Amino acid sequence: DVKVTQSSRYLVKRTGEKVFLECVQDMDHENMFWYRQDPGLGLRLIYFSYDVKMKEKGDIPEGYSVSREKKERFSLILESASTNQTSMYLCASIQDRGVQPQHFGDGTRLSIL
Amino acid sequence: RKEVEQDPGPFNVPEGATVAFNCTYSNSASQSFFWYRQDCRKEPKLLMSVYSSGNEDGRFTAQLNRASQYISLLIRDSKLSDSATYLCVVNSQGGKLIFGQGTELSVKP
Repeated sequence: DVKVTQSSRYLVKRTGEKVFLECVQDMDHENMFWYRQDPGLGLRLIYFSYDVKMKEKGDIPEGYSVSREKKERFSLILESASTNQTSMYLCASIQDRGVQPQHFGDGTRLSIL
Repeated sequence: RKEVEQDPGPFNVPEGATVAFNCTYSNSASQSFFWYRQDCRKEPKLLMSVYSSGNEDGRFTAQLNRASQYISLLIRDSKLSDSATYLCVVNSQGGKLIFGQGTELSVKP
């Protein structure tokens, strides 16, 4: 069974801090994704990566960056956290894009004070 | 217009009821379709893929109408444990998945 692990279930940070959210998958998947989920807005894609050191912007990349130094790990970085980045963050992975469903991590509920 | 639109919720139904969720998508080039289930404060989990010919998994039936760009999910004999949010998901060009906002289902005794 695919396992996608996010480093924290709950996180509280302060405005202006640099925040790192980590995601690790154990199935050697090529593609990894970061979403945020907000009430009334559904899941929105922030960034995705289809290979090591490769990244592409999703629909709402502003205020975020990502890092994929190793195939199994995809990090989301909030350069300078702001209160409007308080959200549920979900990481997902998949081997073949557009064909198979994605496998999600448990999610990180991030609060920016 | 949103790329994937779902019925507004919440749906409140008694146990044993049949309930149907509808979803429309705007990108006619979409090729893969899924229904996900999300429990409160949990991650989305795949419920079922949706095939052109329609497919059934126990009490769940998914239908796809490419001409109308319409997907449906039918749940028969609802159980209390079916209470969750159901997400319609469509793949866009480039393999990105586009999620609908979700429809909340509450099954009451």
